[in-house]
Amino acid sequence: EAQVTQNPRYLITVTGKKLTVTCSQNMNHEYMSWYRQDPGLGLRQIYYSMNVEVTDKGDVPEGYKVSRKEKRNFPLILESPSPNQTSLYFCASSLNLGRAWSGYTFGSGTRLTVV
Amino acid sequence: AQSVTQLGSHVSVSEGALVLLRCNYSSSVPPYLFWYVQYPNQGLQLLLKYTSAATLVKGINGFEAEFKKSETSFHLTKPSAHMSDAAEYFCAVSRMDSSYKLIFGSGTRLLVRP
Repeated sequence: EAQVTQNPRYLITVTGKKLTVTCSQNMNHEYMSWYRQDPGLGLRQIYYSMNVEVTDKGDVPEGYKVSRKEKRNFPLILESPSPNQTSLYFCASSLNLGRAWSGYTFGSGTRLTVV
Repeated sequence: AQSVTQLGSHVSVSEGALVLLRCNYSSSVPPYLFWYVQYPNQGLQLLLKYTSAATLVKGINGFEAEFKKSETSFHLTKPSAHMSDAAEYFCAVSRMDSSYKLIFGSGTRLLVRP
């Protein structure tokens, strides 16, 4: 089944303890992106990657890191999590189809709580 | 710069009634427009998309949306609401420039009363 898989689904951690949220897609998509969802704010882009070894900041990158060493994986790293990073996180991917682009396939989300 | 405004954070309709969820966008270039649906504890699922072909777009589950350039709107409609339509709906805009960045509205939660 074509899908984007995120792990873990739920995570509670303490301030300052490094964590990684994994994202993997099995559709050979070039483009991958991380979003965070907060009530009343919709989804905001954190980082994105156009292809292997090509990453760039989105709208809210502070406090996050990413890497794209393989096409299928795009982990989100929080080096020193803080309570304001408590949120619902989504990984998304798509093919690079130019004007034929049809949007993202989303993962099921990771609910992160930082205490 | 691009932006999306969804009017009404919550919309409540009776089962069988018309569903109308409003979305207005701002874009200095021709946009791609999308509606996504999010069911509880799930990711976002694409309902429909406008990518410069027909202005009336039909999606899954009986939903459709009409692109109106003069009104900068892309409202989502369904003639008859079903209980299973209860979810959160997001409108999103993207540039037609292969940037692949989606900018989302704040979402509208649809409640369906029996």
